[in-house]
Amino acid sequence: GAVVSQHPSRVICKSGTSVKIECRSLDFQATTMFWYRQFPKQSLMLMATSNEGSKATYEQGVEKDKFLINHASLTLSTLTVTSAHPEDSSFYICSAFPRDRGKDEQFFGPGTRLTVL
Amino acid sequence: DAKTTQPTSMDCAEGRAANLPCNHSTISGNEYVYWYRQIHSQGPQYIIHGLKNNETNEMASLIITEDRKSSTLILPHATLRDTAVYYCIVKGGRRALTFGSGTRLQVQP
Repeated sequence: GAVVSQHPSRVICKSGTSVKIECRSLDFQATTMFWYRQFPKQSLMLMATSNEGSKATYEQGVEKDKFLINHASLTLSTLTVTSAHPEDSSFYICSAFPRDRGKDEQFFGPGTRLTVL
Repeated sequence: DAKTTQPTSMDCAEGRAANLPCNHSTISGNEYVYWYRQIHSQGPQYIIHGLKNNETNEMASLIITEDRKSSTLILPHATLRDTAVYYCIVKGGRRALTFGSGTRLQVQP
């Protein structure tokens, strides 16, 4: 199956600092990647859709100036949480569709646990 | 995308088949049924998907009713490592998956 990696797997930062999370498709190219957020005991919530070479599309209620998404290549998307606060502490998960249009399965990364102190 | 309804939780004995139901009565003709699972503190894992025919792979079988309004995911011989939250998702095209609450499956020794 297709492999998606995330880095870091876990990060702790101070309130007010920025954190960058990387999402890579290791063995396939992805024109579209997705970013999800999951709070404890809740389901995954879609934050944004990241398209290679263009601006990300954000879901309602997600601040685009706070959660900066860059999808500069067909194998890498980054999510930067700017001026993080404790309420941003969450499990952030990315996913991607393989570029081959015959495959509509969405493959997920292992997630990044962000703790803001 | 059509809404799905799943039981909140289920138990299954190790070595027995786990049958996880899902209702999707508003599914439309071009929407597929996808199953994913999430083991604690990990990213979701793809299990199987289908349109109208029953499907089987190395992980599970998917049985879709003829009217496509419901489906059942079958794990033929559940192990402790199958303990997870299982999500049934109906989706058409290459849109993002929308996750509901899923079914928490607890496999008992």
